[in-house]
Amino acid sequence: KQEVTQIPAALSVPEGENLVLNCSFTDSAIYNLQWFRQDPGKGLTSLLLIQSSQREQTSGRLNASLDKSSGRSTLYIAASQPGDSATYLCAVRPVGTGTASKLTFGTGTRLQVTL
Amino acid sequence: GAVVSQHPSWVICKSGTSVKIECRSLDFQATTMFWYRQFPKQSLMLMATSNEGSKATYEQGVEKDKFLINHASLTLSTLTVTSAHPEDSSFYICSAPSRGTSGVNEQFFGPGTRLTVL
Repeated sequence: KQEVTQIPAALSVPEGENLVLNCSFTDSAIYNLQWFRQDPGKGLTSLLLIQSSQREQTSGRLNASLDKSSGRSTLYIAASQPGDSATYLCAVRPVGTGTASKLTFGTGTRLQVTL
Repeated sequence: GAVVSQHPSWVICKSGTSVKIECRSLDFQATTMFWYRQFPKQSLMLMATSNEGSKATYEQGVEKDKFLINHASLTLSTLTVTSAHPEDSSFYICSAPSRGTSGVNEQFFGPGTRLTVL
């Protein structure tokens, strides 16, 4: 059974700092990995999706990397801003389960960026 | 594109009553939708897979008679929490797969429904 873990569980940084969030998964047989953002009491916003054949994806100040063989992904946030404060979730999609695949979510990292 | 809505966004009900939550894909069709629940400060846990025109598939430990799922059309799935109790209070989120800007099928999530059972 796939297990997804995120470290740290919570993180507080001053505005302007660069930071790295970590995600690890136990079964490397994944189709892709996705990073989401969740604001309190809200749904999920997709940030980046990395296919299993890719090493990284970038969007603005966000960069996500994937090392499938070691079961790890990182989300790098450059020049953090208070508006980045949210919970960040990673999720993996398994291979061989068709187009409508179930995702397994990580435990999440609660980020707070202070002024 | 690929917008998923949920209704209601929040609901408060008395113990013993039933509550229906709707999940709609607004600009695409979805033969499959997923229902998750999320307890405070915890991650999303998949409850069931909703299949259009057939029975839902429930995850282990989820009572199918308590959480009734109906996927009557290609754009609508409903989750009914029957005889709700305070322990059912949670945040319920649905998702549906669609081809995103990446060109790959990915899950798009609704805004969630906060259920509070008194």
